[in-house]
Amino acid sequence: DAKTTQPDSMESTEGETVHLPCSHATISGNEYIYWYRQVPLQGPEYVTHGLQQNTTNSMAFLAIASDRKSSTLILPHVSLRDAAVYHCILRVASTGSKLSFGKGAKLTVSP
Amino acid sequence: DPKIIQKPKYLVAVTGSEKILICEQYLGHNAMYWYRQSAKKPLEFMFSYSYQKLMDNQTASSRFQPQSSKKNHLDLQITALKPDDSATYFCASSRIQDTQYFGPGTRLLVL
Repeated sequence: DAKTTQPDSMESTEGETVHLPCSHATISGNEYIYWYRQVPLQGPEYVTHGLQQNTTNSMAFLAIASDRKSSTLILPHVSLRDAAVYHCILRVASTGSKLSFGKGAKLTVSP
Repeated sequence: DPKIIQKPKYLVAVTGSEKILICEQYLGHNAMYWYRQSAKKPLEFMFSYSYQKLMDNQTASSRFQPQSSKKNHLDLQITALKPDDSATYFCASSRIQDTQYFGPGTRLLVL
């Protein structure tokens, strides 16, 4: 599996827009970029995903570089509930394909 | 209502015993997965099933056996339990080749 690189942690304040970077220099053409987040004692929560084009949903905006070697998860107007470990994961869209979680980036949100 | 149910939420077992972790999904998905998360470690993929057939097995030990009695069930039988098996076990499901959604997990403690 191709690997991703994320900062270990990021800090923010409620109401700010947070940019979470992810580097994936060896991404393959058939690999999607997935973002999940996890808080302690809960299962991972799907945030968003994309292949080539930027995507947006109610939770976040995913900006994908034109060469696909990096991406940024943008969280607008964060609240305390957005504090979590955010995982950037590459996944081939094939039957039964796994998600390979790393340490992720811990986002801290202060009041 | 929760769409992925895992039972029990907590489980305490003695070394050498056998336990079954239950997972049911009501999302109409045809693929199901098991992941494990040991203390302070990233989630680790274990198994994937598609249409009740094993697609991928990344678990070295035969003590871990998935069981799919219905298409929306994927239970995990663990035999000859060891203290190292203590972890939170997460079930996930997806449509074929699509986004995986996770359950709340079963926390297993082996004494």
